[in-house]
Amino acid sequence: DQQVKQNSPSLSVQEGRISILNCDYTNSMFDYFLWYKKYPAEGPTFLISISSIKDKNEDGRFTVFLNKSAKHLSLHIVPSQPGDSAVYFCAARDFGNEKLTFGTGTRLTIIP
Amino acid sequence: GAVVSQHPSWVICKSGTSVKIECRSLDFQATTMFWYRQFPKQSLMLMATSNEGSKATYEQGVEKDKFLINHASLTLSTLTVTSAHPEDSSFYICSAYQGQDITDTQYFGPGTRLTVL
Repeated sequence: DQQVKQNSPSLSVQEGRISILNCDYTNSMFDYFLWYKKYPAEGPTFLISISSIKDKNEDGRFTVFLNKSAKHLSLHIVPSQPGDSAVYFCAARDFGNEKLTFGTGTRLTIIP
Repeated sequence: GAVVSQHPSWVICKSGTSVKIECRSLDFQATTMFWYRQFPKQSLMLMATSNEGSKATYEQGVEKDKFLINHASLTLSTLTVTSAHPEDSSFYICSAYQGQDITDTQYFGPGTRLTVL
């Protein structure tokens, strides 16, 4: 049972444009969400997170939006840069539980 | 950000041998360390959770006698793949969690590529 889903396995975006990566979840107990970036043969790198009490969190070029009623979150990257090309995983955690549940990942390719 | 190292970064071994992978948190003390494996083009699958000084908690379907985890200190956890077989070939990633407040996150090591011949 995949509790965290990223329905787009890949996404291509022109450099300078906005990249939008989506993530859906089914477990209503999740209350903290994270995005990680991963290059091949490397461990994931933490990007940005959001608590369920918020609907938006921004850090530089990265903004995460959370729609609790739809059980949906998205990561916006603007402007997109070639170095953003990587696999992006969303992850979720429920209160009091340090374990993360990961989505299946979206491969983002930024076209110069 | 916090730094987590893994050693070795890659290893090739013969079937039937055992392989040990180390995970260290370099600049913080980790209350909990996690071990994941990732197959090509798939998500990270949690194998086990380990807390310093106590037995690891394994996820359903993970053989605890095959994947031995030792969490010797707040900065070191080891995963030993015993009697490795080709199907154990995978990318193994550890993470460390400081766990001081709700916003703490897991910091991941660079991963270890295991190939069993």
